[in-house]
Amino acid sequence: AQRVTQPEKLLSVFKGAPVELKCNYSYSGSPELFWYVQYSRQRLQLLLRHISRESIKGFTADLNKGETSFHLKKPFAQEEDSAMYYCALRGLEYGNKLVFGAGTILRVKS
Amino acid sequence: ETGVTQSPTHLIKTRGQQVTLRCSSQSGHNTVSWYQQALGQGPQFIFQYYREEENGRGNFPPRFSGLQFPNYSSELNVNALELDDSALYLCASSLDLGSGYEQYFGPGTRLTVT
Repeated sequence: AQRVTQPEKLLSVFKGAPVELKCNYSYSGSPELFWYVQYSRQRLQLLLRHISRESIKGFTADLNKGETSFHLKKPFAQEEDSAMYYCALRGLEYGNKLVFGAGTILRVKS
Repeated sequence: ETGVTQSPTHLIKTRGQQVTLRCSSQSGHNTVSWYQQALGQGPQFIFQYYREEENGRGNFPPRFSGLQFPNYSSELNVNALELDDSALYLCASSLDLGSGYEQYFGPGTRLTVT
């Protein structure tokens, strides 16, 4: 079965502090992992995907197959990072079907 | 380039009724996926359409059905509405079916069943 777990419903940090949003997954094959973000009053949008191995808006995420994790990190949080973040998995044999976690609200305080 | 649009924005229905939600894909996209997002949860995959054919379905009963039209726009139909069907319904389009193609989400339709 495919499952994505985001253990924190809310993560509150101060501006300039490091951020780590946790994501663990369960999948028997080789998945694709994604982070999606939803800013206030905006639609869900892709933030980054593990196969790109790129940094977007200062965020990075490394796929750890041993720990089945795909945590999202940023060294210095900014107020504009406040949003809902969803981790998602796609099994290669399931076409475009995405399996989402429940999401984590990130609040960056000034 | 026009993004994914959905209509209506909000909808209130009574238990037992039927509802149709609509989605216009981003220009040039031939694949549409529908998701249900209950309050406090992440989106849950309902089904996907590729070139007018259903291509994958999640754990939803048959009263959830869909269509994709030749212009690749799509409809989600739900019959015999239940209170638990109250949710945000999202559609997402992608350029093609393969795993390398990004999904672009619409703003969603908020369905309330009373």
